Amino acid sequence: QSALTQPRSVSGSPGQSVTISCTGTSSDVGGYNYVSWYQQRPGKAPKLMIYDVSKRPSGVPDRFSGSKSGNTASLTISGLQAEDEADYYCCSYAGSYTLVFGGGTKLTVL
Amino acid sequence: QVQLVQSGAEVKKPGASVKISCKASGYTFTSYYIHWVRQAPGQGLEWMGIINPSGGSTTYAQKFQGRVTMTRDTSTSTVYMELSSLTSEDTAFYYCARDLFSGTYYYFDYWGQGTLVTVSS
Repeated sequence: QSALTQPRSVSGSPGQSVTISCTGTSSDVGGYNYVSWYQQRPGKAPKLMIYDVSKRPSGVPDRFSGSKSGNTASLTISGLQAEDEADYYCCSYAGSYTLVFGGGTKLTVL
Repeated sequence: QVQLVQSGAEVKKPGASVKISCKASGYTFTSYYIHWVRQAPGQGLEWMGIINPSGGSTTYAQKFQGRVTMTRDTSTSTVYMELSSLTSEDTAFYYCARDLFSGTYYYFDYWGQGTLVTVSS
């Protein structure tokens, strides 16, 4: 169960769009449509932002969207706002009741 | 409202064990899987395992197999996570988290407040 691969950091200016990638294998990201994304602000527990690759829980702005192609999932944040600055983690089901996280991406809003 | 309340911070010596509790309320305890996730200071999230509160079945991440035990007490709606043979590498915040949907085991929706475990001689 190796961690999924995410860029260490991404940045963007307010109003711009950024995309965070999450690369796994055919045993996790590529094999199941059970990819999720979490936002974590300093000192806080993570918050679910996307599940089932592209679905948003109630209350999550539609500026957040998810997609997947092959073994890579992506989180896109459009219309960046200062409050979006946080760490973002992807997570995928890896079979047999197991899950695996990505290493996390720090989003900086310039 | 759904709440997961974890036990307080712990300081342990290398080689010891720690047992953390996570008391659930505001929903049917046996209907939702509970995950355990840890995060070392300044590091990323790490999935440790999952327990089905209904039957008590568990699955652990390969990294922790043989060293972690997850249990539940349905009479008090509490799940427990015990980690043994602690080293300094186990210093981290430990979170319990409920799955998003009843009967599924893919996502983390409600989270406990986290329990800091410090391993130091």
